[in-house]
Formats: sequence, C-alpha cells, structure tokens
Amino acid sequence: QKEVEQDPGPLSVPEGAIVSLNCTYSNSAFQYFMWYRQYSRKGPELLMYTYSSGNKEDGRFTAQVDKSSKYISLFIRDSQPSDSATYLCAMSALSGGSNYKLTFGKGTLLTVNP
Amino acid sequence: EAGVVQSPRYKIIEKKQPVAFWCNPISGHNTLYWYLQNLGQGPELLIRYENEEAVDDSQLPKDRFSAERLKGVDSTLKIQPAELGDSAVYLCASSVWAGNNEQFFGPGTRLTVL
Repeated sequence: QKEVEQDPGPLSVPEGAIVSLNCTYSNSAFQYFMWYRQYSRKGPELLMYTYSSGNKEDGRFTAQVDKSSKYISLFIRDSQPSDSATYLCAMSALSGGSNYKLTFGKGTLLTVNP
Repeated sequence: EAGVVQSPRYKIIEKKQPVAFWCNPISGHNTLYWYLQNLGQGPELLIRYENEEAVDDSQLPKDRFSAERLKGVDSTLKIQPAELGDSAVYLCASSVWAGNNEQFFGPGTRLTVL
C-alpha cells in the first residue's frame, strides 16, 4: 500500500459544477497537507496549504483535512475551464525539526467543459 | 518576483550519453530540491540542498546521477550515462528554508532517452 492514494481519474465536469478531489493516506505522522495544481507541460503550483485538521477556504477553493479518517479533500466551486489541470495532493511530517519531505499522490486529471 | 528557472525545457538524447539540467531558484531561497516525475505519477524527491550542502541525497541513484550547487544558488543535475528508464520530467523546486515546506516548482526539463 502506498503512503498516499489518489484516484487518477480522469474527471470531467461541466462548467459551474462543484468538484471534489480526494486523497487518503496511511502515515499518521503527516501533519502538513497541500494541494498543487499542475497544468500540462508546467511545474506544480501550490494551491492550498493546511496544517493539521480542519478547513481552509481561499476564493472558490476549500481544503479539508480529517486526520481521524486519514482523508483530505479539495473542493472547487463554480468550476471554470481554466481549472482544467492535474491536481496533486502532497503531505509531510515533522522530522528532525524539518517538514520538507513531501509525499505526493499520483494526481487527478480534471477537465472542466465549457 | 521571478520564479524558479530551469533549462533546457526539453532534451532528447541517445542512451549512454551524458545529460545535464540547470536550475536557478527564487532569489533568497536557501533550500533547493530536485525531483523526478514519471508520467502519471507525483514528483519524487531526489536530493535536497541547504545552501551549497547536499543534506538529503538518499534517493539519488549515485552510480549515474550527480548534482552540485556551487555558491549556494544555481544547481546542476547530471546523469551519466543515461538509460532508457531515465525518461521523465526533472523538476527543480526551492523554498525559503526546509522548515517551511511551501515549495515553489520550476517548469521542469522533459528528458527523452532513445
């Protein structure tokens, strides 16, 4: 079993839909949770950053972390064609005073159709 | 603020040939990372630098891969000799320091080994 599991999709939705992207993980030491967006032929771009459990909202994006279930989610409201990309979850644990070592999911390919 | 710069963006070589990738991190970022991203997968860490010191190279295949970060700014990742299985995207990322795991990625170098 991989430390981080993410359904690769692809996921196709109509413009304006609410999108739900999810990851599960097995390492209970993970405390820092991130979502990256990666457009085709580009590097990953940090979208959301959450520490420990709870929700975080930024515009149309909401990140949720449920540490008891080892489950994280990213919701996109009023999805736009420009949201079409691969979404990668990433997480890390605090080790030796540092939390740099990111473990990524495989990414979910999202297409928003106009 | 300029982002992480990488070159070349694309490289096609014959197997057994050497290849080198260059990265210029965001100004002021002390920590630099090299990642490998295979098709349909999330990035995997190869090596991390704190200034000019390689402090985590545990995932770097040292028989054929080498890296350097002279003067603690730009970095070069080299493969010699390249194998077919090395075909992938090589990503460079930087962060202010390793305790801040908000990593900013460059566009990557897409390597094809024939």
